[in-house]
This record gives sequence, C-alpha cells and structure tokens, in this order.
Amino acid sequence: QLVLTQSPSASASLGASVKLTCTLSSGHSSYAIAWHQQQPEKGPRYLMKLNSDGSHNKGDGIPDRFSGSSSGAERYLTISSLQSEDEADYYCQTWGPGIVVFGGGTKLTVL
Amino acid sequence: EVQLVESGGGLVQPGGSLRLSCAASGFTFSTYAMHWVRQAPGKGLEYVSGISSNGGSTYYANSVKGRFIISRDNSKNTLFLQMGSLRAEDMGVYYCARVASGGDYTDYWGQGTLVTVSS
Repeated sequence: QLVLTQSPSASASLGASVKLTCTLSSGHSSYAIAWHQQQPEKGPRYLMKLNSDGSHNKGDGIPDRFSGSSSGAERYLTISSLQSEDEADYYCQTWGPGIVVFGGGTKLTVL
Repeated sequence: EVQLVESGGGLVQPGGSLRLSCAASGFTFSTYAMHWVRQAPGKGLEYVSGISSNGGSTYYANSVKGRFIISRDNSKNTLFLQMGSLRAEDMGVYYCARVASGGDYTDYWGQGTLVTVSS
C-alpha cells in the first residue's frame, strides 16, 4: 500500500535552516514526490517535484532557499534562512497507477 | 498566469447534492489532467477525484466512489464535481488542482470553495 509518512510538527529559529522528511512506504522507495506549502488560512502552493535521485523541479517563483534531496525511501525538504512567512503546513504527495496520496503534513513553527 | 477559480460551495443537508465548478485560465486547459482535492476542517489534504485531459478516464477515492462524478467541458475551460448523497465527513474546502505534465501531481492549486454539510 502506497503511504507517505510525515512528522506532525517541526520548529526552527528565524534565520536558521530546517529539514523536513517524507517517508515512502516499503516497496516504493523509487517513487518521486511533490512538496506543497500551505500558509495559515490559504490554499496550498506547489513547491517542487522531487525525484528519487534528488533532482528536483521547483514551481514558479519558489525561492532558492527551498531545496530538495533524497535518500532511499526518504524525501527531504530543506528550507534555509528561515523567514516568518515560512511558518506553514508542508505536505508531500505521491502517485501511482490510479492513485494519488498525500502525507499527513508537517506543521513548521518559526521561533 | 495560471488561474483556477472554484465556485459552487455552500451549505447542504446530509443526503443532499451540490455541484462544484472550477474555471481555468492562463493555460491550454484541454491538454492537462485535473484533480479535486479536499481538506476537512483542521485536517490534511485528501485526494478526491481525477480526470484525464480529454475526459476519457476518471478516478475516485474509495470514500467518494459511487457518490461523486467528475467531468469537464474543454470548450468552456471548466472542471466540475457533482457531489451526491453528501455526508458530514464530506465537509471541508474543495480545491481544484492542475496535474503537472511530468507526473500525476499538482503543480497549480485553486483557492478553494467551502462545502458545509449540516442539517
């Protein structure tokens, strides 16, 4: 069964870096994912598609502070030079034949 | 600029029906698959339904199969979601989402429309 697992919460200080993790279920470690950001009271925003080899394609206007990487079944979103507007929920998404799955989301708090 | 504008949400009684629309602009609508994704109050994102670019293939989450119907009118650049037999657990914000060319993931989102199911 295709499942994405995310930690419910994370926190980091203003100006620091944070690395969020999305883990693919067993047998799906080759799958690509997409990362999305949802700021409070707003709709989601596409950040990037992240492949199993770590290559990624960012959405329009996404700052260089956002980057992605991969290791095995884990997919990472790193945000550097944290700003207050980065405080948001972050979701990963993956897909297979006839199925689309979202992770439960990570709520990022900027201290 | 890609724009997706949902409409049609509102208050409906349990067991009732509602039709959502999504007006697309800023891209060639007929060449992209589309999704509906929802978010219950205080919860995460949940895939609801998808449709291929020409409307020939449709997909549904098990939670809505047999109750919801996705369709599109490429001549009017509009995506639809006909929702029936609505339940309290269908309540939430419904987002229209464009599917990227390089995989079945979302690369643009609408702002959402709120569906409230209550008597």
